[in-house]
Amino acid sequence: GDSVTQMEGPVTLSEEAFLTINCTYTATGYPSLFWYVQYPGEGLQLLLKATKADDKGSNKGFEATYRKETTSFHLEKGSVQVSDSAVYFCALRGYNAGKSTFGDGTTLTVKP
Amino acid sequence: GAVVSQHPSRVICKSGTSVKIECRSLDFQATTMFWYRQFPKKSLMLMATSNEGSKATYEQGVEKDKFLINHASLTLSTLTVTSAHPEDSSFYICSLPPGAYNEQFFGPGTRLTVL
Repeated sequence: GDSVTQMEGPVTLSEEAFLTINCTYTATGYPSLFWYVQYPGEGLQLLLKATKADDKGSNKGFEATYRKETTSFHLEKGSVQVSDSAVYFCALRGYNAGKSTFGDGTTLTVKP
Repeated sequence: GAVVSQHPSRVICKSGTSVKIECRSLDFQATTMFWYRQFPKKSLMLMATSNEGSKATYEQGVEKDKFLINHASLTLSTLTVTSAHPEDSSFYICSLPPGAYNEQFFGPGTRLTVL
């Protein structure tokens, strides 16, 4: 079945540092890929998405590129802020699938 | 603005009581909704899919009699945790199914603490 593997956390960075959170997936066909963010005490919000190979999703300075050859969708940000502290989930949804498959989440803490 | 609301946001109850959590779709009519449970520092575990007008579909290992799900209308789904125990303490999140743009809208979650 489909699966998502995320870099284990927690990740602690200083403000303005470069962020990479690795995500690889296993799926049949051509899934859509997502990054969701969860702030403390809240539900998940879509951060960015990509629906086909080589697509780059971007939002709020975060980027991720759909790499079919390496089955990866790594999340990057050039300069993190304290307000980026949250849990980040990589997810995929197969073609015509009703449900998404989530990774285990990576907790990011950014210190001033 | 919010697409999905949940109520209550937090609830503390005594062991043995039942707790109802409401999930409302504010902008869309939803024939299905997903219910997830999230343990501390863990990912989301899909518990069940509620279906408007019919029985919910439960994931393997989820007790149907323990977690009662009702999809009363196209905008309301409820999860009732019956005879709650401390091990039921968790963060429960509902979600609309992915729509035309693939995005899955989540509710803000309900923190349940059973004493």
